[in-house]
Amino acid sequence: DGGITQSPKYLFRKEGQNVTLSCEQNLNHDAMYWYRQDPGQGLRLIYYSQIVNDFQKGDIAEGYSVSREKKESFPLTVTSAQKNPTAFYLCASSIDITGSYEQYFGPGTRLTVT
Amino acid sequence: AQTVTQSQPEMSVQEAETVTLSCTYDTSENNYYLFWYKQPPSRQMILVIRQEAYKQQNATENRFSVNFQKAAKSFSLKISDSQLGDTAMYFCAFMKHNAGNMLTFGGGTRLMVKP
Repeated sequence: DGGITQSPKYLFRKEGQNVTLSCEQNLNHDAMYWYRQDPGQGLRLIYYSQIVNDFQKGDIAEGYSVSREKKESFPLTVTSAQKNPTAFYLCASSIDITGSYEQYFGPGTRLTVT
Repeated sequence: AQTVTQSQPEMSVQEAETVTLSCTYDTSENNYYLFWYKQPPSRQMILVIRQEAYKQQNATENRFSVNFQKAAKSFSLKISDSQLGDTAMYFCAFMKHNAGNMLTFGGGTRLMVKP
């Protein structure tokens, strides 16, 4: 079945450590996105990528980094510079960014940093 | 910049009844798209319904329909014959036309369907 996978579902890290969240899609979509969701709030865009080896900052990119070496994969690294990293992280993809296509979401990763 | 406001943090409805969730947005754009996404307790975001701003006809998907008032910048979601499985967070989202598929989300409404 086509879809987006994120692993792991829950992730725990100590403060000061970098951590990488995985996102893989087999939908053959060109565009991929990372969002952050805090309790009781909507989603905020961290980074997005429209094509391999290209990505752009979203609204809250500080303290995060991404790579897009393969079309299927868009990992997100939460660095120690991110002041409040504990949150729910959602990855999404869409066919491309030239039209106005809806985004499809993965199941998310809950990151807890203590 | 666009903003999306959902003024109802929580709502409840009895099973089989109808409920309407509110959403307003602020934009200077003329061409755009509006979405309602559902996030059940599993936290998987699921697209419920989509509306193109250039279409006057309100979108419908089975028990879900919208009331799109472009002049008032209002985009409410009506759920008819509510079911227990409709219990979820509902997010309204805005997308500019030909602008990279960027979504701007509202803060969400938590809907509880009671048996």
